[in-house]
Amino acid sequence: QSALTQPASVSGSPGQSITISCTGTSSDVGGFNFVSWYQHHPGKAPKLMISDVSVRPSGVSNRFSGSKSGNTASLTISGLQAEDEADYYCSSYTSSSTWVFGGGTKLTVL
Amino acid sequence: EVRLVESGAGLVQPGGSLRLSCAASGFTFSSYSMNWVRQAPGKGLEWISYISASSTSIYYGDSVRGRFTISRDNAKNSLFLQMNSLRADDTAVYFCARGLRSLDQWGQGTLVTVSS
Repeated sequence: QSALTQPASVSGSPGQSITISCTGTSSDVGGFNFVSWYQHHPGKAPKLMISDVSVRPSGVSNRFSGSKSGNTASLTISGLQAEDEADYYCSSYTSSSTWVFGGGTKLTVL
Repeated sequence: EVRLVESGAGLVQPGGSLRLSCAASGFTFSSYSMNWVRQAPGKGLEWISYISASSTSIYYGDSVRGRFTISRDNAKNSLFLQMNSLRADDTAVYFCARGLRSLDQWGQGTLVTVSS
């Protein structure tokens, strides 16, 4: 199972919006609405930010939103804040009854 | 408060074995699916195994299938990962995580180093 494709890095200034893409295939991202996004500060436990493509768990800021079109899912962070700087990973359920992560995107807040 | 605490970390030689544990508290462990996810040094997250709440469904990633075995003891609120035939590329921080379609609670991780 190949990893989902994410940009290695993105950056933005405080207050701006950024979008991270996550491209898979019809056997994972495109075939199921089970795409999730995680925020990971190195050395800490990853945190679920978006589940089921666009569902925001309780306690997650509404500045985070998710969407999907075809085989590509996206995470948008609006009103960037310094504490948003972290690694972000997408994940999808697959037709093999397994799960696959993206390679991760390092977000830098300038 | 939900807590997941991994243990069993260590240094092991190539070809060796190690058993990881994950102690769960703060929720009804027997009602939730559980997973193991790892992160090799400088690399991204890699899902490696899933077990359903009652252990009736178990899945593995290609990189560990046939070498690793996931199990759980609902009476003891514990998740396990038996790792055999360890290789250098199994060196990673191993996380236990709760969930089915998404992983909503994670432990802090435990470091496994495979080296001679």
